[in-house]
Amino acid sequence: LAKTTQPISMDSYEGQEVNITCSHNNIATNDYITWYQQFPSQGPRFIIQGYKTKVTNEVASLFIPADRKSSTLSLPRVSLSDTAVYYCLVRPISSGSARQLTFGSGTQLTVLP
Amino acid sequence: EPEVTQTPSHQVTQMGQEVILRCVPISNHLYFYWYRQILGQKVEFLVSFYNNEISEKSEIFDDQFSVERPDGSNFTLKIRSTKLEDSAMYFCASGPESPLPQHFGDGTRLSIL
Repeated sequence: LAKTTQPISMDSYEGQEVNITCSHNNIATNDYITWYQQFPSQGPRFIIQGYKTKVTNEVASLFIPADRKSSTLSLPRVSLSDTAVYYCLVRPISSGSARQLTFGSGTQLTVLP
Repeated sequence: EPEVTQTPSHQVTQMGQEVILRCVPISNHLYFYWYRQILGQKVEFLVSFYNNEISEKSEIFDDQFSVERPDGSNFTLKIRSTKLEDSAMYFCASGPESPLPQHFGDGTRLSIL
């Protein structure tokens, strides 16, 4: 499994764009990058997933450079309700069996008024 | 949007008692998982389940634990003889494909006295 490294915590202010970068130097060719968000006392919530270049959905964007050794989750115009722990996960895509997700410590994002 | 639902939200049990945690995965999903999160710690994988059998299990998932999909809608985690260290949030997850994305429920808080 590719090891991921992300900042322990980040602070931001309402209305700002937040970028959280994750390093995954030993990512494999068939690995995908996925980000989850977790609020206190709730289960992790899938945000976005990508393989290369840029992926965008209604919640966030994911930027993956050509070497794929890192990725950046971008949250546009954060609000107080975006305060949560954000996890970067790397995992190969396969079918035919149920594979675990390995969560690290994540990045605690605190949005300030 | 379909959700993974877990019951009960909070379970208090005496040490040594059996406990069953219940989950209703999203209806068209084929892959099922249990994770746990001890207060203040990482989300830890317990077990994954596909095609009516366990695909992977962690070291945590010892003989005291079992999983079952008794019918077409429920997925249960049983702990036969609970210990104090089993106190944690237990999250169920399901997915239409493996291993991503996995959709998590909001968990059952298990408190062992």
